[in-house]
Amino acid sequence: DAMVIQNPRYQVTQFGKPVTLSCSQTLNHNVMYWYQQKSSQAPKLLFHYYDKDFNNEADTPDNFQSRRPNTSFCFLDIRSPGLGDAAMYLCATSRRTTTNEKLFFGSGTQLSVL
Amino acid sequence: TQLLEQSPQFLSIQEGENLTVYCNSSSVFSSLQWYRQEPGEGPVLLVTVVTGGEVKKLKRLTFQFGDARKDSSLHITAAQPGDTGLYLCAGALVDSSYKLIFGSGTRLLVRP
Repeated sequence: DAMVIQNPRYQVTQFGKPVTLSCSQTLNHNVMYWYQQKSSQAPKLLFHYYDKDFNNEADTPDNFQSRRPNTSFCFLDIRSPGLGDAAMYLCATSRRTTTNEKLFFGSGTQLSVL
Repeated sequence: TQLLEQSPQFLSIQEGENLTVYCNSSSVFSSLQWYRQEPGEGPVLLVTVVTGGEVKKLKRLTFQFGDARKDSSLHITAAQPGDTGLYLCAGALVDSSYKLIFGSGTRLLVRP
């Protein structure tokens, strides 16, 4: 059974039209991450939550926001998607934020911007 | 600037051949993880190496962490079509343990 679930698998939005991607987990993990992965590139960390504490990466554009209303759910909001935001968005979880922690990834949401 | 360089970027081999994928950096890592990602799916952890010089085996896969903890390699013996996928190394920097830095990946195709 899937432990980190991302919806939808494919999302098409229009240039400038706000879009929300969702992630849920059944692992009861403390930490949830959002990564952006463009074609043939490494996954890039956008931000993460440790419980309710939000940690933004310095180079994450303001256009990207996140919400974590409870332990199980985390949302990625893109306020005004540009063509350059087309990518696979990966949600991941871990129990803690220590060195050897295993990340559990969802299947990702492939975002297209028209 | 890519902190973790993976080579080769693409590899197409025949079933039964051996191969090695490299992950190199000028930075020191507390630990290094290897993931495999199949098309349309998220990465799945294969192994974590922590100690310099450490070697771990997972069936036909052998992972090694460099003595200086700046590099790692993945060797696959007698590759199978089921090994096809994107192999990603990811390192935890010494000064930022929670943040994994991913390499850009090696895309492996094993032909039957």
